[in-house]
Amino acid sequence: RKEVEQDPGPFNVPEGATVAFNCTYSNSASQSFFWYRQDCRKEPKLLMSVYSSGNEDGRFTAQLNRASQYISLLIRDSKLSDSATYLCAVPDSNYQLIWGAGTKLIIKP
Amino acid sequence: DAGVIQSPRHEVTEMGQEVTLRCKPISGHDYLFWYRQTMMRGLELLIYFNNNVPIDDSGMPEDRFSAKMPNASFSTLKIQPSEPRDSAVYFCASSPGQGSNTEAFFGQGTRLTVV
Repeated sequence: RKEVEQDPGPFNVPEGATVAFNCTYSNSASQSFFWYRQDCRKEPKLLMSVYSSGNEDGRFTAQLNRASQYISLLIRDSKLSDSATYLCAVPDSNYQLIWGAGTKLIIKP
Repeated sequence: DAGVIQSPRHEVTEMGQEVTLRCKPISGHDYLFWYRQTMMRGLELLIYFNNNVPIDDSGMPEDRFSAKMPNASFSTLKIQPSEPRDSAVYFCASSPGQGSNTEAFFGQGTRLTVV
């Protein structure tokens, strides 16, 4: 099993819909989790950090399920501008980030 | 702060040539990371430094790759000799610390093409 796994997608979603995708991790001791957004031909940028059960920022909600070892990212009322690749990152036992391969999201008008 | 600064943004070189990528981390960040991203392999950590000291270079693919950090504000990643399979986007990132400060801030990347 990979340390951090994501469904590569693409997720094709109509504008205005709600979409959610998960990231599973293997290090049960991880205390912090990160969702990054990467636009085409750009660098990854931090979207949300999760340190406890979850975090919410506007239309974006990240939730942590420790028992099943996954974090989810929920996007409500999706916009065309939400189209991007969403990368999950989880620190390993040495606190270095282990990256998922990313989930590609395409919002269609 | 201007963020992490990388140069050049694009590099096209011939196989066998030496390539040097440069990075200026965010001031005050103790950690610097070099990543490589390709469609096939995603984002791969090549090497990282803590306070200018290389900590883990297990991700460096071959001896053709080397990285240095002579001071807190500058790092280089060198490929000599370059090969077509080295074509990728190389990102430099910096981080303020460990634990809850593990989040990384990325530069805009260097898109390397080796022909």
